[in-house]
Amino acid sequence: DVKVTQSSRYLVKRTGEKVFLECVQDMDHENMFWYRQDPGLGLRLIYFSYDVKMKEKGDIPEGYSVSREKKERFSLILESASTNQTSMYLCASSLGAGGPFSQPQHFGDGTRLSIL
Amino acid sequence: GDSVTQMEGPVTLSEEAFLTINCTYTATGYPSLFWYVQYPGEGLQLLLKATKADDKGSNKGFEATYRKETTSFHLEKGSVQVSDSAVYFCALILNRDDKIIFGKGTRLHILP
Repeated sequence: DVKVTQSSRYLVKRTGEKVFLECVQDMDHENMFWYRQDPGLGLRLIYFSYDVKMKEKGDIPEGYSVSREKKERFSLILESASTNQTSMYLCASSLGAGGPFSQPQHFGDGTRLSIL
Repeated sequence: GDSVTQMEGPVTLSEEAFLTINCTYTATGYPSLFWYVQYPGEGLQLLLKATKADDKGSNKGFEATYRKETTSFHLEKGSVQVSDSAVYFCALILNRDDKIIFGKGTRLHILP
């Protein structure tokens, strides 16, 4: 089975801090994704990557950046955390055949981030 | 624009009841359709999928049929269990536009 591992289940940070969320997948998937999940809003795509060092903006990239230096690892960075970034963050990966969104995505268990 | 609409929850049923969670979509072209499930404290898992009209996806007793004429992909299960309590997300993929669109999710509570 595909395993997508997010480094922290719960994280508490302060306003203005630089925050790193890490995600690792073990199935050699080309595509990786970061979402945030909020009540009543469902999942919203922040960024995705279809190859090492490649990244594309999703629907809500403002206030975030990403890094993909190795195929198995995709990091989400909050440059200067704000309280409106308190949320559940989900990482996902998928095979590359047919384009970034053509294959089902496999999700990690999520990181619940609180910004105080 | 393209969208997915799910019935609002929470949905509360007794064990062994029949389940339907409605999902309709708006899309130009021919999307692939998915149901994902999120159990408490976990990420989303793919439950089932259908890639063309009249396809039926099935898994773990759940079924959904891709109905192009009604632009729907309703999730059904004949006899639910307490362990089915979760949040269910309908989603579509539009290869043409390279994006995935999720519904807002429907929370399901099954009472013993």
